[in-house]
Amino acid sequence: EDQVTQSPEALRLQEGESSSLNCSYTVSGLRGLFWYRQDPGKGPEFLFTLYSAGEEKEKERLKATLTKKESFLHITAPKPEDSATYLCAVHGSSNTGKLIFGQGTTLQVKP
Amino acid sequence: DAGVIQSPRHEVTEMGQEVTLRCKPISGHDYLFWYRQTMMRGLELLIYFNNNVPIDDSGMPEDRFSAKMPNASFSTLKIQPSEPRDSAVYFCASSFPPLAGGSYEQYFGPGTRLTVT
Repeated sequence: EDQVTQSPEALRLQEGESSSLNCSYTVSGLRGLFWYRQDPGKGPEFLFTLYSAGEEKEKERLKATLTKKESFLHITAPKPEDSATYLCAVHGSSNTGKLIFGQGTTLQVKP
Repeated sequence: DAGVIQSPRHEVTEMGQEVTLRCKPISGHDYLFWYRQTMMRGLELLIYFNNNVPIDDSGMPEDRFSAKMPNASFSTLKIQPSEPRDSAVYFCASSFPPLAGGSYEQYFGPGTRLTVT
């Protein structure tokens, strides 16, 4: 069964203090790993898709990386507006269109 | 582009009543997904459609839940009768078909917060 585990559950950073969020996964034939950002009271906002180990993608202060067992979302010099819950999801070859989501990491960046 | 549109944004109803949630996907997206989000279980897929046809409804919790997609620009999720344990945020998402060997980049709506008393 495909599974996704995110850590930590919550992370508090000072503005400018870089860190990483972890997404560990087990999946039968990875077709895609996704990162989403979710603000309170809103729907998840698509950030990145990674398809194969070694792949990296960047967007502003965020960089996502992928290995065969986990993905990291690196946040460089975060700002208060980066505060949100970050969700990781996988799509395995055994699931037709189904994404399996982790429980998320709630990030708070203090000024 | 207006993005995925959902209505209502909030719904409060009494146990036993029928609830209908509505979704308009992004124009041109062939896939439509219904999710439910709770603190305990996180984000779970309920059902998804391809070209208006239901493909996988294995996540629908029970027969009280039903979903339809009468055309490419409209879908409904109905709960009848509703129960307090159905209280959650329901999201609709849509996507283009995946590229060969690829996956679905799903774009989510703002959600409907359902409270059943």
